This record gives sequence, structure tokens and C-alpha cells, in this order.
Amino acid sequence: DAKTTQPTSMDCAEGRAANLPCNHSTISGNEYVYWYRQIHSQGPQYIIHGLKNNETNEMASLIITEDRKSSTLILPHATLRDTAVYYCIVSYGGGSQGNLIFGKGTKLSVKP
Amino acid sequence: GAGVSQSPSNKVTEKGKDVELRCDPISGHTALYWYRQSLGQGLEFLIYFQGNSAPDKSGLPSDRFSAERTGGSVSTLTIQRTQQEDSAVYLCASSTQGGARQPQHFGDGTRLSIL
Repeated sequence: DAKTTQPTSMDCAEGRAANLPCNHSTISGNEYVYWYRQIHSQGPQYIIHGLKNNETNEMASLIITEDRKSSTLILPHATLRDTAVYYCIVSYGGGSQGNLIFGKGTKLSVKP
Repeated sequence: GAGVSQSPSNKVTEKGKDVELRCDPISGHTALYWYRQSLGQGLEFLIYFQGNSAPDKSGLPSDRFSAERTGGSVSTLTIQRTQQEDSAVYLCASSTQGGARQPQHFGDGTRLSIL
């Protein structure tokens, strides 16, 4: 079973920031938080990951709370092409333990 | 650069037939994963290859499913005597090494339909 809890769906206005929350209260000390998204009929796309520090790349920012029990993915200026299902995943390393357990994710709809 | 390539993109076959699905990982990626995604469901892990090590087959749902990876690169997932419940999108992912620190890069999958 997925170790994360995410809202089923969210809406965001085009050009505004999209903030997607994720709860992972049972995360272990060496587990990372990963975010992927899946646009209809495509494979999942990696967005960002982090352990305990906040992370930023060209796609998004990841904010992880100090106790690591929750995180937020931020898309700073959402576009219509960001409409997708967003998955928050916790996973820790070592061989097959790297396999990703996807839950139901959050369906983000970016509206004009 | 080239991403993960899967073929065919769509496959329709009759119940009871065998099917082979192919995955070409990103060049240089030593770890390869197979997942499947049934309609409206999350991804289900099937099998994991890392370099020359024995694969982790713990996610394969039955002995009708098998996979191999030749020369540490291309992988083939074979389903024998297909059943209707095998209908799903089969996804392949690769990463530079096994483990959570390296992100997995996915192909667009093979959509398998069993009639």
C-alpha cells in the first residue's frame, strides 16, 4: 500500500502557483520523498525528490516539513500543460526497495 | 537524448495467446523496472533488474509472467496464456542505478488488451 495521503483533486488558475500537499506520517529516516506526474496516455514523469531539505529545480519546488511527515509540491506558474495526476511517493534505496509504490495521486486541473 | 522506448505501443490479442513486450532503457542505465497500471489504478511493481544480479521477481502476479534482460540493456516481458485480467498498460522504467536516490525514467508503456 502507498504510504502517502493526497487530496483526490485540485483546481488551479493558469499562471497561479499550484500547491499540492502530501502527508507521509510514517516515513522512515532514510526514505526520500518523490514526486511524479502522469499526463493522460503517457508514462509517469519525474519531477523532483528530496530527503529533508527543500529542493528546487526547473520544474518545481519541494517543501518538506521539519518533522518530514508532510511535504508540498509547488508549481510556481501553472500552465494548462501542467494538468495531470501528481503522485507523491516515499521510497528508500537499496536494490528492489527502490521500486515505487504509486497511490491514487492528486488530479490537478489547471483552468484558463 | 533518447528516453525509455517501449514497443509495441498497443497490443490486442486473444485470450490464451502469448505476448512479448519490449523495453529499451536509457543508454547507460543499469537498473530497469517493469510496472503495470490497470484502468483507474496506481502502478503495480512487477520485476526489477540491476546490472548482472539476479532479478527481483517478487511482484510478478503469476508464473505466466516472466522477464529477461539481455546484455544488461533491452528487456522483454513475456505473458503466457494471457487472461482478460492481464489487460493493462505495462510500463518500463530505468535509472542510473538501483535505489531511491536515482529517479526512474519511464517509457510511455504498452497498452495490452486481451479479448
